[in-house]
Amino acid sequence: GENVEQHPSTLSVQEGDSAVIKCTYSDSASNYFPWYKQELGKGPQLIIDIRSNVGEKKDQRIAVTLNKTAKHFSLHITETQPEDSAVYFCAARTSGAGSYQLTFGKGTKLSVIP
Amino acid sequence: NAGVTQTPKFQVLKTGQSMTLQCAQDMNHEYMSWYRQDPGMGLRLIHYSVGAGITDQGEVPNGYNVSRSTTEDFPLRLLSAAPSQTSVYFCASSYSGNSPLHFGNGTRLTVT
Repeated sequence: GENVEQHPSTLSVQEGDSAVIKCTYSDSASNYFPWYKQELGKGPQLIIDIRSNVGEKKDQRIAVTLNKTAKHFSLHITETQPEDSAVYFCAARTSGAGSYQLTFGKGTKLSVIP
Repeated sequence: NAGVTQTPKFQVLKTGQSMTLQCAQDMNHEYMSWYRQDPGMGLRLIHYSVGAGITDQGEVPNGYNVSRSTTEDFPLRLLSAAPSQTSVYFCASSYSGNSPLHFGNGTRLTVT
């Protein structure tokens, strides 16, 4: 099955700096890569996603890049703000034979220091 | 739309007790799933359903049962709770298996 590794597990940045979280996946058949933000006491919320036919996607201060050859994808947050502090999860989905299962990384706790 | 609603928010059980975690969605989503979240382990898939009447096992199905009699509801049953089932449980749904996943706010379960 798919295996997703996520690094780092914790990340502290100064407000206004950039944050980068990296994930690698094992199954070359994976074709969908979402990123989720989880605030304390809440469920994960989708913030951005990318499909395997696209190399980069941007939404305001958030961007995701995908390198299919190396099987890794990254989340970039620019101009970080205190409200960006949360746990971020990457995931990869392999589809086939009617099965669409998301495999998640173990999460990165991002702290933005004012 | 309320989205994905989970009840209860918190539950304490004794070993051997049974209970059902409720999940309902009002988005007419076909795909629903249950995850458990443990410290340092990320989210792991327990069971999922691609439509009413159809369920399948995920990565960690042992000790849990599910059923999908309607499109809206996907309850998770613990028949005989064990301390290893202490966790936060999330229900999620999507329009199809190939669409973005929407999560509920979770049920925190403690088994003593």
